[in-house]
Amino acid sequence: NAGVTQTPKFQVLKTGQSMTLQCAQDMNHEYMSWYRQDPGMGLRLIHYSVGAGITDQGEVPNGYNVSRSTTEDFPLRLLSAAPSQTSVYFCASSRLGKRNEQFFGPGTRLTVL
Amino acid sequence: AQSVTQPDIHITVSEGASLELRCNYSYGATPYLFWYVQSPGQGLQLLLKYFSGDTLVQGIKGFEAEFKRSQSSFNLRKPSVHWSDAAEYFCAVAQGNNAGNMLTFGGGTRLMVKP
Repeated sequence: NAGVTQTPKFQVLKTGQSMTLQCAQDMNHEYMSWYRQDPGMGLRLIHYSVGAGITDQGEVPNGYNVSRSTTEDFPLRLLSAAPSQTSVYFCASSRLGKRNEQFFGPGTRLTVL
Repeated sequence: AQSVTQPDIHITVSEGASLELRCNYSYGATPYLFWYVQSPGQGLQLLLKYFSGDTLVQGIKGFEAEFKRSQSSFNLRKPSVHWSDAAEYFCAVAQGNNAGNMLTFGGGTRLMVKP
């Protein structure tokens, strides 16, 4: 199993550009989520999904969109990039239930100029 | 709302010395607690977790953590640190209903190991 994969690994955008961060998992996990990691702030939840067709907002959803058309894929869209969105983005997946370990992807480092 | 505090941003220990990383949480109900480790340029890997029962839990790589409800703490320990333990460590608490897996993370503690 590849686990959780993310593409691209690095990305530089100009302010106002849009892009999609890709996330895929091959473990048939129901739950998928996106976090952003900023120095001293740990990871903060952006959006999450408990199954195909179901998404919800996390702690910091503004400026981001998600969709979940399949169990495997959970892309994160930046509609109009801003310098405040410069961060490292992690996708995670798990079985449903608070007891279950979340598996994290390797991350995407995004810089917005 | 729940929160997690890791009071130490950086810690430096000598190889072979013992280690304790502090974690305090704020959560109304019985907490589901986790410790994750992040090596440079990598994603997060689960070290250990606590849900109920024995308050001392064992994890991978020789780590253990003790849940103390009276102190709202879940400190991570290792008796003898190895150079490969240099990484960033995150404490987290699970929130949401039984179907949800949302994690609230602390700010992280960066561990440096002196030879």
